[in-house]
Parts: sequence; structure tokens; C-alpha cells
Amino acid sequence: KNEVEQSPQNLTAQEGEFITINCSYSVGISALHWLQQHPGGGIVSLFMLSSGKKKHGRLIATINIQEKHSSLHITASHPRDSAVYICAVHWSPTRLTFGEGTQLTVNP
Amino acid sequence: DGGITQSPKYLFRKEGQNVTLSCEQNLNHDAMYWYRQDPGQGLRLIYYSQIVNDFQKGDIAEGYSVSREKKESFPLTVTSAQKNPTAFYLCASNIEGKNTEAFFGQGTRLTVV
Repeated sequence: KNEVEQSPQNLTAQEGEFITINCSYSVGISALHWLQQHPGGGIVSLFMLSSGKKKHGRLIATINIQEKHSSLHITASHPRDSAVYICAVHWSPTRLTFGEGTQLTVNP
Repeated sequence: DGGITQSPKYLFRKEGQNVTLSCEQNLNHDAMYWYRQDPGQGLRLIYYSQIVNDFQKGDIAEGYSVSREKKESFPLTVTSAQKNPTAFYLCASNIEGKNTEAFFGQGTRLTVV
């Protein structure tokens, strides 16, 4: 079974700051997801990546397969980025293991 | 627009009653999943289905039941045998057999009183 650890658990930032959320996992995977969960509870998939780096707007996700580590970066953070960010790893076609999530609060 | 619809958003039930949570998708996905989310824990897999009329237990299936009579629908029943049913329940789907992007519903918050 794969273990997934995220850090930090909670993060408070000022608007405009650069934010990094980290995710480490214990065994080999085929893909990693970054998800965003807003206070209402619904989850949106931000990225799915298996190598390298992906960018979408102000969001950047990187993964290092050898080190079993991924990071999610938010540039020029904004209060609307406040949410829970969840890392999930695909270690079989039907199994995702989820981290506990990082609660991000961006203050104006 | 394609997506996953869960209903209701909030559900209250008395202890000892069975309750069924709805999940419908129009993405033509073969695989569907039910997860449970509790404070301070990652999502945990309850049941999943890779094809119509077939489903498999996840990590915490006890006290739950599912059916998959149609490709679009994967309802979850929380039975009276579930010892701690109050939680947030999420349904998801993706293309079966592939590590593809998963789509999630908006969730159902179940409170048992």
C-alpha cells in the first residue's frame, strides 16, 4: 500500500505570495494528481502528471519520480485560491491513495 | 456539459435507517468510485465498479452496499450496519483501466442523528 504525506497541513499566506505545497509518497506510482477542494466540498482535478512539470495559469506542478516527491506551486496567490489542496497517487489503474490535504488560506 | 452529479448535497437520517446516496455521470466512463472523507484523513475508498453489473470492495466497505445496473449510475447505500456513518461522501469516475484524470462529484454530507 502506498502512503502519501503532504506538507504543510495548514498554510496561511498574504495575497501575492508564492506558495509551495509538497507531497511525498512511499512506493512507485504511475501518476500523481493534484486536486482542489473548496469549502462546499466539491473536488476539482488540477493536474495529473507522471513526469516533469505542468503549468496552468498561476499553478505549476512538478514531480520527481526518483525522489518520490511532487510540489504544487501557486504564483501571485489570491484569496480565491483559498481551498484544500490534495495530492493523490495512482498506484494501480483502479486505486488512488490520497494525502490528508493542505488547508491554504490567502489573506487580502 | 459532462460531469458527475451527486444528490442530495446534505442528508440527515435517524440512526438505524438505511440511506441511499445518488451518483450519476454523463462522461461515458466505465469506472466509478465511492470515497468517504473524514476530518483529518485522506479520502478512503468504499467501493468501486469497473463495468456494469460488477463492483469490488474498497478499503472500508463494511456497512455499505452498491449497485451498478447502468453505466451512468452508481448509488451507494449506507446501511444501519455502518457504525459511524456521519461523513462526507464523494463519488468519482474515470476511464477504466487507465491512469486518467478522475472527475469528482460535489459530494454529499450525511449526518446521522
